[in-house]
Amino acid sequence: DTEVTQTPKHLVMGMTNKKSLKCEQHMGHRAMYWYKQKAKKPPELMFVYSYEKLSINESVPSRFSPECPNSSLLNLHLHALQPEDSALYLCASSQPGTSLLGYTFGSGTRLTVV
Amino acid sequence: GENVEQHPSTLSVQEGDSAVIKCTYSDSASNYFPWYKQELGKGPQLIIDIRSNVGEKKDQRIAVTLNKTAKHFSLHITETQPEDSAVYFCAASRKGGDYKLSFGAGTTVTVRA
Repeated sequence: DTEVTQTPKHLVMGMTNKKSLKCEQHMGHRAMYWYKQKAKKPPELMFVYSYEKLSINESVPSRFSPECPNSSLLNLHLHALQPEDSALYLCASSQPGTSLLGYTFGSGTRLTVV
Repeated sequence: GENVEQHPSTLSVQEGDSAVIKCTYSDSASNYFPWYKQELGKGPQLIIDIRSNVGEKKDQRIAVTLNKTAKHFSLHITETQPEDSAVYFCAASRKGGDYKLSFGAGTTVTVRA
C-alpha cells in the first residue's frame, strides 16, 4: 500500500461548525504532515508529527487543532473557521529523520467555509 | 531558510517533444529533492525524487538531474503525452530532520496534441 487516504474529499462548513479531517497511511511512515494549498499556489506546511508527537507548528491559528492518535492516523479538527480558510487541505507522510524518502501526499480535502 | 526558484512558470510543448523544468535552491545543506505532478482537483503526486549523493535518476520517460555545485536540479520528460499536462512542483529539504519541504512556485505544462 503506497497511498495516503484522506476523508472527506469535499467539506462545506459554516463558521460556527466543528468538523474534522482524517488521514490514514499504511506505509510504515513515522512522519505525517498537514498542508494547506490555495489555488495556483504550492502547498504550505501547517503541522508536522514525528513518531506521533507534534514537532512543528507553523504558527497556525488555534482554530486548527491537529491530532495523531497512532502511527497510521492523523486528524485535523476545525472550529470557528473563516471564509479565507477555504482551501485544499493535504495530508502527507514520509520516512522520518533526514531521509524523507517517499514523501507522499493524499488527494486532499476541498474545504469551503461559508 | 531554503528558497527554491522554479522556471518556467508555464510550458507548452508539442506531443512527442521533450519538456524541461529547472529549479535552483539556496541552502547548500539541502539533500532531498522530490518532484510532484498535480492534476486539477487532485493532490500532488510524487513522480520522482533524488538524494544529494546521486547526480541523476531515471524512471521510464522521466529523469531528474542534480548539480550540487551549482545548486540546481531539473526534471526532464521525454516523448510527452497529453496526460503529462499538469502543474509540476519541485521541492527541496535541508538536512537536519526538520521535515520541511520548500516548494517552487510550480510550472503549468500543456502538451498539445
